[in-house]
Formats: sequence, C-alpha cells, structure tokens
Amino acid sequence: QQQVKQSPQSLIVQKGGISIINCAYENTAFDYFPWYQQFPGKGPALLIAIRPDVSEKKEGRFTISFNKSAKQFSLHIMDSQPGDSATYFCAVIIQGAQKLVFGQGTRLTINP
Amino acid sequence: NAGVMQNPRHLVRRRGQEARLRCSPMKGHSHVYWYRQLPEEGLKFMVYLQKENIIDESGMPKERFSAEFPKEGPSILRIQQVVRGDSAAYFCASSRGLAGNYEQYFGPGTRLTVT
Repeated sequence: QQQVKQSPQSLIVQKGGISIINCAYENTAFDYFPWYQQFPGKGPALLIAIRPDVSEKKEGRFTISFNKSAKQFSLHIMDSQPGDSATYFCAVIIQGAQKLVFGQGTRLTINP
Repeated sequence: NAGVMQNPRHLVRRRGQEARLRCSPMKGHSHVYWYRQLPEEGLKFMVYLQKENIIDESGMPKERFSAEFPKEGPSILRIQQVVRGDSAAYFCASSRGLAGNYEQYFGPGTRLTVT
C-alpha cells in the first residue's frame, strides 16, 4: 500500500520564484520526515528533515512545513535557482524502524 | 571524509548470470541499507543490515536476492540468475545507528542492466 503520496509529479518554476512540493502520509506512527534531492545519475542527497514535534524548520532557502493534524508536510524552496533543478523525494520513517518509505518524487525545473 | 562508496557504478549482466553489488559505508557508520529504484520511480527499501546481522529484510524478494555485511569488508547485495526485471539502480545508504538518529546517507548507486 502507498503510505506516502507526493505531489505534483512535475513542477516548473521561474528563477527567483517559490517552489512548493507536498507530501501526505497515512500512518500516524511516523517519526521522521526527510526530503532528499537527486540529480540525474546520482544518489539521493539528504536536504532537510523534521521531527513531528516541530511545525517548521528552515535551512537557508529550504523550509519544511509540517501539519500533524492534516498528516501533511511540504518543502518550500525560496528564490529558486536553475541549480535547484532536480528530482525531490519526501520520505518517512516509522517509529522504532529504520527503513525509509519514499514518495514517488517530483521533477522540478527552474527556468532561467 | 569519504562518503558511501558503491561499486561497480555500472554493471551489465546477461539473463541467468549473477550480479554482486558492493557498498562501503561512511566512516563511523555501522548500519547499511539497500534500496532499489526502478526507472522513473521512487526508491523502495530492500534490506537493513548491521555487521554480521540482517535486521530487516522485509523488502527483499523471496528468491534470488541475498545480502550480507560481514565483520570485515563491504556489504554485498547478491542477485542470482538475473532477469530483465532486475534492471534498476541499486542504492546503498548508511547511518550511525544511534538511538533516535535516523539520518541516512546514500551512495552514488550501481546501475544494473540485464540483457
């Protein structure tokens, strides 16, 4: 069963704009919510992560917003740059387990 | 400080052959995870190992696939009698395994092509 639903599948944003990617999850026992960035031919790179006791976390131009009651979390990329063009994956980890469950991915393109 | 290392980066096998994929975790990391990524899809968990122990293999196909992480040397994912459907990118990740620390760092992957 699909435990994490990610949207949109693809996203085009103009340089300097805000990119927003959303994820919804089903299981309330998830304990850790990371976002990964993947460039073609490379492995996923950990971008930013949040725990369920925090509603927002910001690192540079990247912000995670977390809504526990709605079971949703999102990634915001401020001042998007062409170098941000990549595929982004949200993921979750179940309490007590160690395996990451990934969303389907969002292909982000930043137009110059 | 070297990151997670995987080799080979590309592997071509004919149907029925065996594929061996290797992963060396980051320095200081004792936990290893294998994930598979099919073309245009997300990553799917396969197996979680500590040194000499398989902790969770709930994502491993029941047949032909096996994994190990010996006391010395890299972790190995072994696929016997490969079929075309095994063509995918296989990623290894590692972590410190500390309680409450979930950060996993990925290697560059091995791209397996079965002809």
